[in-house]
Amino acid sequence: RKEVEQDPGPFNVPEGATVAFNCTYSNSASQSFFWYRQDCRKEPKLLMSVYSSGNEDGRFTAQLNRASQYISLLIRDSKLSDSATYLCVVTWDHYGNNRLAFGKGNQVVVIP
Amino acid sequence: GAGVSQSPRYKVAKRGQDVALRCDPISGHVSLFWYQQALGQGPEFLTYFQNEAQLDKSGLPSDRFFAERPEGSVSTLKIQRTQQEDSAVYLCASSPIRSGERNQPQHFGDGTRLSIL
Repeated sequence: RKEVEQDPGPFNVPEGATVAFNCTYSNSASQSFFWYRQDCRKEPKLLMSVYSSGNEDGRFTAQLNRASQYISLLIRDSKLSDSATYLCVVTWDHYGNNRLAFGKGNQVVVIP
Repeated sequence: GAGVSQSPRYKVAKRGQDVALRCDPISGHVSLFWYQQALGQGPEFLTYFQNEAQLDKSGLPSDRFFAERPEGSVSTLKIQRTQQEDSAVYLCASSPIRSGERNQPQHFGDGTRLSIL
């Protein structure tokens, strides 16, 4: 079983609509959680960290459910520029080192 | 800019050749990571350095893969006797703090797109 599972999509979203997706992780000892954004043929870039209490950054809201081991991302009022792949990232202690595991990514396509 | 720099941007090699990929992390960053990203997949961890020490190489797929960071700054990922399945984007990331500290963001380079013919 993969450490981080994501439904790759694509998620076709009308401009202005809200889209939500999540990922599940297998390691209950996971400590830190992030969403990264990756544009086509570009490197991943940190979008936001995910905290247990949930957090918001403008139109983006991230939630963490430790009991069910899933993380969600919600994008409100989608813009064309939001089209990208959103990578779920989970870290845990691996013999004293922070190990990062990436999901396959959720591909979002915002349609005019 | 002052971001993570990787070279070459693209590399084409014949099967069986050796290749070397370079990563220049952000100045002063302690931690350096290498990832392999196949088409349609998320990045997969290869190896991790804290300064010049390679603390985790458990993600290297075979003994044909070797990484070093001799002076704790620039790192090189070497792949010997390349195979077609080595074709992927190789990403380097650095972080200012030691691995093990929570919520550390990683700054990625543009990657090297490796194609093995």
